[in-house]
Amino acid sequence: SQQGEEDPQALSIQEGENATMNCSYKTSINNLQWYRQNSGRGLVHLILIRSNEREKHSGRLRVTLDTSKKSSSLLITASRAADTASYFCATNRGDGQNFVFGPGTRLSVLP
Amino acid sequence: DGGITQSPKYLFRKEGQNVTLSCEQNLNHDAMYWYRQDPGQGLRLIYYSQIVNDFQKGDIAEGYSVSREKKESFPLTVTSAQKNPTAFYLCASNNGRSSNQPQHFGDGTRLSIL
Repeated sequence: SQQGEEDPQALSIQEGENATMNCSYKTSINNLQWYRQNSGRGLVHLILIRSNEREKHSGRLRVTLDTSKKSSSLLITASRAADTASYFCATNRGDGQNFVFGPGTRLSVLP
Repeated sequence: DGGITQSPKYLFRKEGQNVTLSCEQNLNHDAMYWYRQDPGQGLRLIYYSQIVNDFQKGDIAEGYSVSREKKESFPLTVTSAQKNPTAFYLCASNNGRSSNQPQHFGDGTRLSIL
């Protein structure tokens, strides 16, 4: 069963706007990771946030984690057309190396 | 450049045929994974291996088989028992010593039925 669920399923914005995607999960986790997938390609790791962290930044990316609500958000600021991709959250429970991926959010950034 | 190489990029399977997807990594990673991705969906774990000569079933292992004879290689065989094999298959690896390690992915193999 899916551990993570991204919301929304699809998002369309104009270049320069911010994009926010959310991820909810069901069980306790060791860490949560966000990945990007361009069409027909493999996934690329963006950022990892551990269960004892609340916020992390990487360039134009900002990730928050609320373990009490079992949710995370990914914010992409000043979006560009090149940010068009699917974004997935993946959770790791820490009881092994298994990661559980959500169904993803398809982001379209219009020029 | 270090990375994961999957081949072939496209593969077609005939009825009753077994096909093998290749996955090779030169990242010196201990752990390797196979995922299946259906259109518009997330990834589902087929098999994973944390060390050479050992592997475990994931959530959807039926109709698939793997081997891990070398650290660098983790081939996936889609057997004739897998009745709905059409999907995008992704191989990944990471340093298995810590669960706080991101996964590195290959560019996938798209499998279709003839």
